[in-house]
Amino acid sequence: KQEVTQIPAALSVPEGENLVLNCSFTDSAIYNLQWFRQDPGKGLTSLLLIQSSQREQTSGRLNASLDKSSGRSTLYIAASQPGDSATYLCAVRELSGQNFVFGPGTRLSVLP
Amino acid sequence: ETGVTQTPRHLVMGMTNKKSLKCEQHLGHNAMYWYKQSAKKPLELMFVYNFKEQTENNSVPSRFSPECPNSSHLFLHLHTLQPEDSALYLCASSQVGGTDVLTFGAGSRLTVL
Repeated sequence: KQEVTQIPAALSVPEGENLVLNCSFTDSAIYNLQWFRQDPGKGLTSLLLIQSSQREQTSGRLNASLDKSSGRSTLYIAASQPGDSATYLCAVRELSGQNFVFGPGTRLSVLP
Repeated sequence: ETGVTQTPRHLVMGMTNKKSLKCEQHLGHNAMYWYKQSAKKPLELMFVYNFKEQTENNSVPSRFSPECPNSSHLFLHLHTLQPEDSALYLCASSQVGGTDVLTFGAGSRLTVL
């Protein structure tokens, strides 16, 4: 059974810092991996999607990498801003079925 | 309307009530999903519909009954719920075979008294 974990569970950094969020998954047979952000009490917003054949994707200050063989992905946020404060979740799409398996998330606080 | 719309945003119901959650997607996607988000637990998949056919049922209790009348609308019918069913219920859609980006609605916050 696929399991997704995220480290750290929570992170607090001063504005302007570069930071890395980590995601690990137990079964490398995945179709793709997605990173989302969730603001309190709201739905999820897709940030980046990496296909299983890709190594990384970039969008603005965000860069996500994927190492499928080791079951790891990282989300790099450059020059963090208070508006980046949210919970960040990763999810893997399994090859079998249509399930996206989510991690528990990393709660990020960027202090002004 | 754009994206994925969920109604109602908040719902309070007693254990003997019957209510429904509604989801509508305006993206032309072919798959729709119900997820449950409880405090301190990862998102749990409940149901998946692909081209109106249910393709996943993640061992969900029968007091939750999904309905997908067409590829744009998805309902979750609720009856005789338990207090532990209180959670944020999230609807999502994606284009299977296409970009596969999962697009979520804002969620329906359910409280069962």
